[in-house]
Amino acid sequence: GDSVTQMEGPVTLSEEAFLTINCTYTATGYPSLFWYVQYPGEGLQLLLKATKADDKGSNKGFEATYRKETTSFHLEKGSVQVSDSAVYFCALSDLSGTYKYIFGTGTRLKVLA
Amino acid sequence: DVKVTQSSRYLVKRTGEKVFLECVQDMDHENMFWYRQDPGLGLRLIYFSYDVKMKEKGDIPEGYSVSREKKERFSLILESASTNQTSMYLCASGGGEKLFFGSGTQLSVL
Repeated sequence: GDSVTQMEGPVTLSEEAFLTINCTYTATGYPSLFWYVQYPGEGLQLLLKATKADDKGSNKGFEATYRKETTSFHLEKGSVQVSDSAVYFCALSDLSGTYKYIFGTGTRLKVLA
Repeated sequence: DVKVTQSSRYLVKRTGEKVFLECVQDMDHENMFWYRQDPGLGLRLIYFSYDVKMKEKGDIPEGYSVSREKKERFSLILESASTNQTSMYLCASGGGEKLFFGSGTQLSVL
C-alpha cells in the first residue's frame, strides 16, 4: 500500500542554519504531497503542498518540490529561526473519493538561538 | 477563523470505562477523521466519515467505534478503555486539499 518515510529526528540546528528534512513516498497512483507542522501544544496545520510532479510548494520560507523520478518531497528552508521549532510531518493523499491521508512519523526540529 | 474543536485537552480514565471523545467543526466539511498520535509512529487513522451516518474503518479501528449523527460533530468511542489506548487523539476535517486539525486530546488510561 501507499506509504511515507521521513527522516528520524530530532534535528537540532543553530539559528540561520540551512534545513533539509527528507521525505520519500510510495504510491500506486498520482498523489498530492503535503508538509504539515505541529507547534507545541497544538494540532497539525498545513505548511505547504504540491499536487503534481515538478510542482514546488512554498510558505513562510519553506519549500519542497514534488520529484516523481525519485519519489521524494524534501522540505528545505534557507535560514531557520527559533520559532520554527516544531514537529514536521510529510503526508500524501490521492484526493479521490474519501480524501484519505497517509502521514510519515514526524521529524522534530529544535532551533537554538 | 475556521475551527475544529475537541471537547477535552486532557482526560484520565480507568481501565474498562467507556470513553467519549467529541469533535466539532464549523466549516461544513463532509469528511471528518480521527487519528491517534504516538511517538515514533506518527499519525495513524482510526476511523473516518464522509457523510452523516457514514463511516469507514481506518488502519487501527480495533477497540474503537464512531458516531456521526450531525454533519458538524464526529465522536470517537472507546467501548472499554485499555492502557494501550493511552495516546494523543487528533480530530480533523477536510474539504479537499487541506485538513484542519483540532488541538488534540491527551488520553491517559490507568
